[in-house]
Amino acid sequence: SQKIEQNSEALNIQEGKTATLTCNYTNYSPAYLQWYRQDPGRGPVFLLLIRENEKEKRKERLKVTFDTTLKQSLFHITASQPADSATYLCAPTGPSGGYNKLIFGAGTRLAVHP
Amino acid sequence: SQTIHQWPATLVQPVGSPLSLECTVEGTSNPNLYWYRQAAGRGLQLLFYSVGIGQISSEVPQNLSASRPQDRQFILSSKKLLLSDSGFYLCAWTRGLGEGTQYFGPGTRLTVL
Repeated sequence: SQKIEQNSEALNIQEGKTATLTCNYTNYSPAYLQWYRQDPGRGPVFLLLIRENEKEKRKERLKVTFDTTLKQSLFHITASQPADSATYLCAPTGPSGGYNKLIFGAGTRLAVHP
Repeated sequence: SQTIHQWPATLVQPVGSPLSLECTVEGTSNPNLYWYRQAAGRGLQLLFYSVGIGQISSEVPQNLSASRPQDRQFILSSKKLLLSDSGFYLCAWTRGLGEGTQYFGPGTRLTVL
């Protein structure tokens, strides 16, 4: 069955450092992969999408890589701030068109300390 | 712009009571609609999805059901709640032919006592 693994332990880093979160998946070949941010008591919010033919995607302080050989995506937040503290979810996704079913990882909680 | 609404925001219900959670989407047509549940400290579990009016697919067999009476309305129901139904219920939508980016509602916190 399809499986998504994200670090279950919280990631604690100092303000200003780069946070790196890992998403590994097995038993399927997604056409693209999405990252979401979830704050306590709120619904997830879409951050970035990277396609299988893209190695890297950037948006402001965020960077995502996608290695289809390793079946892994890395999510980086540079110059991290306490406001970046949240849970980050990855969702490898099938081909577009029609119904798209996302399977989310359990998420990694990031805590950025001043 | 599109918006998604869920209500109620919080709900406390006794075991064995019925449930009805509602989700509506504004500003788009023929969206794909989803219901997720998130237990405390856990990931998102997909419960139901719908690609059109009256079309419901169930992902996890349980005592919940879903209905889509209108294009932009999605309802989650139960005839008799269990303690294990407690959790954070999220509704989400995607564009039917898009890349599957999901837009989530604010959620309903359900506590079954």
